[in-house]
Amino acid sequence: GAVVSQHPSRVICKSGTSVKIECRSLDFQATTMFWYRQFPKQSLMLMATSNEGSKATYEQGVEKDKFLINHASLTLSTLTVTSAHPEDSSFYICSAPRVVAENEQFFGPGTRLTVL
Amino acid sequence: DAKTTQPTSMDCAEGRAANLPCNHSTISGNEYVYWYRQIHSQGPQYIIHGLKNNETNEMASLIITEDRKSSTLILPHATLRDTAVYYCIVRGSQGGKLIFGQGTELSVKP
Repeated sequence: GAVVSQHPSRVICKSGTSVKIECRSLDFQATTMFWYRQFPKQSLMLMATSNEGSKATYEQGVEKDKFLINHASLTLSTLTVTSAHPEDSSFYICSAPRVVAENEQFFGPGTRLTVL
Repeated sequence: DAKTTQPTSMDCAEGRAANLPCNHSTISGNEYVYWYRQIHSQGPQYIIHGLKNNETNEMASLIITEDRKSSTLILPHATLRDTAVYYCIVRGSQGGKLIFGQGTELSVKP
């Protein structure tokens, strides 16, 4: 099956710094990717839709200036958590469908962010 | 997209069938039922999806009631590696984003 990778798998940073998380589709092109956040013992919460060649679409309540999304190519989307604070500590997961209307989505393994 | 309701947790004995129910009483005619699972600290994994007919693949079977207001995911011979949170999601046919509910935490016990 299709594979989506994320880098890094874990990151620890100091409060106030920015962290970039990469999401790559390894064997298919993805014009759309999705970013989720998951706190302990909770479900996945959709943050935003990343669109290749255009601006990301953010879900209600998600600060677009804090969570910067760049979909630079058909295989790469990046999420930058700017001026991270301890409350941003979470599990960040991306996903991508091989084709926009395809029924099956492929998820990355997730990135564990810890802000000290 | 329609809302789904699932039991918070279930137990199943290893080797037995695991039957996970999902209610989606507000599902509309063009919405599909999807099942994903998430093993601890990993990304979700697609299992199966269906519209009206029952579906089966190498992982599981999906039984959808005739009125489409509920469905059941069946893992025919559960193993310890099937311990995970199982999410039932209803989504339109245009694809796009998946909205996750709370899911069912399935524990397969020896």
